[in-house]
Amino acid sequence: SQTIHQWPATLVQPVGSPLSLECTVEGTSNPNLYWYRQAAGRGLQLLFYSVGIGQISSEVPQNLSASRPQDRQFILSSKKLLLSDSGFYLCAGGDRVTEAFFGQGTRLTVV
Amino acid sequence: AQSVAQPEDQVNVAEGNPLTVKCTYSVSGNPYLFWYVQYPNRGLQFLLKYITGDNLVKGSYGFEAEFNKSQTSFHLKKPSALVSDSALYFCAVRDDNYGQNFVFGPGTRLSVLP
Repeated sequence: SQTIHQWPATLVQPVGSPLSLECTVEGTSNPNLYWYRQAAGRGLQLLFYSVGIGQISSEVPQNLSASRPQDRQFILSSKKLLLSDSGFYLCAGGDRVTEAFFGQGTRLTVV
Repeated sequence: AQSVAQPEDQVNVAEGNPLTVKCTYSVSGNPYLFWYVQYPNRGLQFLLKYITGDNLVKGSYGFEAEFNKSQTSFHLKKPSALVSDSALYFCAVRDDNYGQNFVFGPGTRLSVLP
């Protein structure tokens, strides 16, 4: 079965600092990969998705970027964090038809 | 465009009673439907899915859901609720015409009272 590894679990960063969140996938090849942000414990906002190495689609224009340097690695980055970037970030992966599997999330607080 | 509605922000049920969490969807093609549960500060856990076949789908932890094409619904049910079922529940849909992305509903918070 698929497993999504996501770290760190919590992160406190100052405004203007860079960000790098990493997500890796086990148990499948060539997965679709997703980054979501969840605000205040409610709905999920899709930030980026990738159908293959180097292929990134952005759903919402913002201060963040994503990269997929390897088949099972998905990275969320920012050059300069804003207060509004605070939230709960979730990485997910899945095949074309089946369900998505989620990592345990990263709680990012920008101070 | 795909969309998912969860009309109830909060559902309260007494322990031992049946529970229902509602979900309706809109897609242009055939729907792939999913339910997830989220506990505080955790990722989403997959509960069950409908892809094709029987309209009644059974999943983890005693949950089941019924696909109703005419009503475009996929309600989550459990015959007897447990306090430990208290969590945030998300319905999601994929459109087989656009297969890459999941669209999630806003979530329903379920509280099971002892």
